[in-house]
Amino acid sequence: KQEVTQIPAALSVPEGENLVLNCSFTDSAIYNLQWFRQDPGKGLTSLLLIQSSQREQTSGRLNASLDKSSGRSTLYIAASQPGDSATYLCCAGTASKLTFGTGTRLQVTL
Amino acid sequence: DTGVSQDPRHKITKRGQNVTFRCDPISEHNRLYWYRQTLGQGPEFLTYFQNEAQLEKSRLLSDRFSAERPKGSFSTLEIQRTEQGDSAMYLCASSLMTQNTEAFFGQGTRLTVV
Repeated sequence: KQEVTQIPAALSVPEGENLVLNCSFTDSAIYNLQWFRQDPGKGLTSLLLIQSSQREQTSGRLNASLDKSSGRSTLYIAASQPGDSATYLCCAGTASKLTFGTGTRLQVTL
Repeated sequence: DTGVSQDPRHKITKRGQNVTFRCDPISEHNRLYWYRQTLGQGPEFLTYFQNEAQLEKSRLLSDRFSAERPKGSFSTLEIQRTEQGDSAMYLCASSLMTQNTEAFFGQGTRLTVV
């Protein structure tokens, strides 16, 4: 059974800092690894998808890496802004199931 | 295409009543998932459809829960005899049938059982 863990559970940083969110998963037989953002009371917004054969993906200030063999992924956010405040969820995907971590709650302060 | 659509956005019901939620996936998306999320937790898998076939169900999906996807288009999730423990956000997602494709989520239906 796939288990996904995210560290830290919560993080508060001042505006402008670079930060790293960590995700680990127990079963390396995944199709892909997807990072989502969730604002309070809202649905999930897809940020980045890393295919199982890829090592990283970049979108703007976001960079996600994947090390399948060690069961780890990281999401790097450069030059954080208050608008980045949200919960970030890591998701390990197979054909029939997406398994989520419990998320990292990020607050970026002025 | 406006993305995955869920209806209603909010539902308040009395314990013991039945409720039904609807999900309209992105056009041509073969895969459809239902998830449940409680406060402070990540989404928990409920069930998965490939076209109209329900291929996987979680143990969380007790006999009070049923999901359908007639004709492989929209899907419904019904909860019978609701309990207070059913209060949660119910999320729907869809994706294409290729191995490395993004899953897109709707805004969810917030259920409150009083």
